[in-house]
Amino acid sequence: GIQVEQSPPDLILQEGANSTLRCNFSDSVNNLQWFHQNPWGQLINLFYIPSGTKQNGRLSATTVATERYSLLYISSSQTTDSGVYFCAVLIKAAGNKLTFGGGTRVLVKP
Amino acid sequence: EPEVTQTPSHQVTQMGQEVILRCVPISNHLYFYWYRQILGQKVEFLVSFYNNEISEKSEIFDDQFSVERPDGSNFTLKIRSTKLEDSAMYFCASTTREGGTEAFFGQGTRLTVV
Repeated sequence: GIQVEQSPPDLILQEGANSTLRCNFSDSVNNLQWFHQNPWGQLINLFYIPSGTKQNGRLSATTVATERYSLLYISSSQTTDSGVYFCAVLIKAAGNKLTFGGGTRVLVKP
Repeated sequence: EPEVTQTPSHQVTQMGQEVILRCVPISNHLYFYWYRQILGQKVEFLVSFYNNEISEKSEIFDDQFSVERPDGSNFTLKIRSTKLEDSAMYFCASTTREGGTEAFFGQGTRLTVV
């Protein structure tokens, strides 16, 4: 089956620090999305990024589809960035559904 | 900005009771999904729905589960006889077309079975 591996599993940051989260996947993807799950459990769409680079404020993401990985960058982290970050991929050959990674739990300390 | 809305945000139910979780997908979307997240675990696919029928389902989606689009706007997930292990966060999602497009998720319904 499809493998989606995220690293690191846990990350503790001091406010203001930068960080990089990684998502490795086992097959060529048709869709890749990054989500932030906030403390209330809501999934917030961050990026739809099957390839290339996108930026949204202090967050940016890069997907290198040929090498089967995606990176999420958090710059100048704030306490509100705390939560779990999920990567999810869709591979058409495996069906029309997203397969989620295990997530990276981020804690930003003031 | 259009969004997927889910109700209720939190539901507590007795074991063995039936529950219906409701979703209003984005209006011009054609594909609808339910996902589930047991506390502390990853998000898992349950079922996809297109053209008024199930297009795909996971092994989790057994006979206790059913989905319906009763009218032009709502999309529901019914659990016939809830079990303790059905306690989870349930997410509804929708897309404009099959595969390769951005999926938009609702805010989730937290189901607690006691």
